[in-house]
Amino acid sequence: DTGVSQNPRHKITKRGQNVTFRCDPISEHNRLYWYRQTLGQGPEFLTYFQNEAQLEKSRLLSDRFSAERPKGSFSTLEIQRTEQGDSAMYLCANDRVAGELFFGEGSRLTVL
Amino acid sequence: GESVGLHLPTLSVQEGDNSIINCAYSNSASDYFIWYKQESGKGPQFIIDIRSNMDKRQGQRVTVLLNKTVKHLSLQIAATQPGDSAVYFCAEKGTGRRALTFGSGTRLQVQP
Repeated sequence: DTGVSQNPRHKITKRGQNVTFRCDPISEHNRLYWYRQTLGQGPEFLTYFQNEAQLEKSRLLSDRFSAERPKGSFSTLEIQRTEQGDSAMYLCANDRVAGELFFGEGSRLTVL
Repeated sequence: GESVGLHLPTLSVQEGDNSIINCAYSNSASDYFIWYKQESGKGPQFIIDIRSNMDKRQGQRVTVLLNKTVKHLSLQIAATQPGDSAVYFCAEKGTGRRALTFGSGTRLQVQP
């Protein structure tokens, strides 16, 4: 158990619906990352927060995706108007120093 | 562009044997490398890391070797156990970058 909690663990939705995932990080770690992982592939970077500031976004993060980290604690990742191509595992990770990431168990999204 | 790739998608070994998982990277500016283990349905779990000023680092039953000349990284697992069966990812980070870039993974199967 890395101390990074994600929910829901699984979400099945119909195409066009909005979904939101939540990440509760290790409290003393101020950097938070979102990654996306599709079957058989390594995690792909989506976005990064330092405290409440979103400092970097990948080109993978389309306009339908938005992430927030109010108060620099938990973070949410919202996907609007979901598409079947959004089906993936969404991973949240934390680090304290610039290096080792502690990952949560992920939120698996299935878009029908 | 930058890429991190693995030579073999699947590695099958006998229990008790040593395992070697290889990884090639292309970014000459990479200065930090890390190996993760991912079991089915779980988030990636940190195994061992190494910085570019080192060529070898040992942990418990694991050793990471870094050859910067040929941009090659390997993970050696001694006395492989059934519990080592998982997908292994290498990842790298370059100077000034915050996010890790992952390879596509190698599945390790340990035969009893």
